[in-house]
Amino acid sequence: DIQMTQFPSTLSASVGDRVTITCRASQNIGSWLAWYQQRPGKAPKVLINKASSLENGVPSRFSGSGSGTEFTLTISGLQPDDFATYYCLQYNILSYAFGPGTKVDIK
Amino acid sequence: EVQLEQSGAEVKKPGESLKISCKGSGFSFNTHWIGWVRQMPGRGLEWMGIIFPGDSETTYSPSFQGQVTISADMSITTAYLQWSSLKASDTAMYYCARRPWGSYRYFDSWGQGTLVTVSS
Repeated sequence: DIQMTQFPSTLSASVGDRVTITCRASQNIGSWLAWYQQRPGKAPKVLINKASSLENGVPSRFSGSGSGTEFTLTISGLQPDDFATYYCLQYNILSYAFGPGTKVDIK
Repeated sequence: EVQLEQSGAEVKKPGESLKISCKGSGFSFNTHWIGWVRQMPGRGLEWMGIIFPGDSETTYSPSFQGQVTISADMSITTAYLQWSSLKASDTAMYYCARRPWGSYRYFDSWGQGTLVTVSS
């Protein structure tokens, strides 16, 4: 099975900061990676698919990059709504694995 | 509007059985897979399994194989997750999520979650 790691596990930042979250796969997954945002008490919401494609309606301050085994999610200019937990998901045919998550909280 | 409407919160005792549901609307149920994801209290997301309601083809995560049963009823556009004998460790929020048919697709729309509490 493909295992996903994410770091950091927690990130303290201020409004306006640029933050980067890294996700690593235990084997090559091409570009089959999505990023999700989960606010407390809410269902996850997809931000990015295929490593770098922004979902409709997602602000352009979110961007994704990477391929193979290493991927990043960048938020350029953190907004109050962005304080949440972020998860990566690898999707390979009918096998899925989430990263352990990165909590972005207020410094 | 795409919607996945999940059944309400449940409180059960260890050893009891349970079946929770996820009703899809606003999209073609027979061209999408429906997956289930567990989130234990204060923890991350775990993929449990996925079903194609059109023919009931089902794939389970090895971690959940034999622990739960996923099923679906195309006629009422509803997917199910069931347990035959609950344990306290099954206490969690459970989400259903939609995955379009085809290769290399991700979960693009989620239900609101069903909280399952198992306690004696």
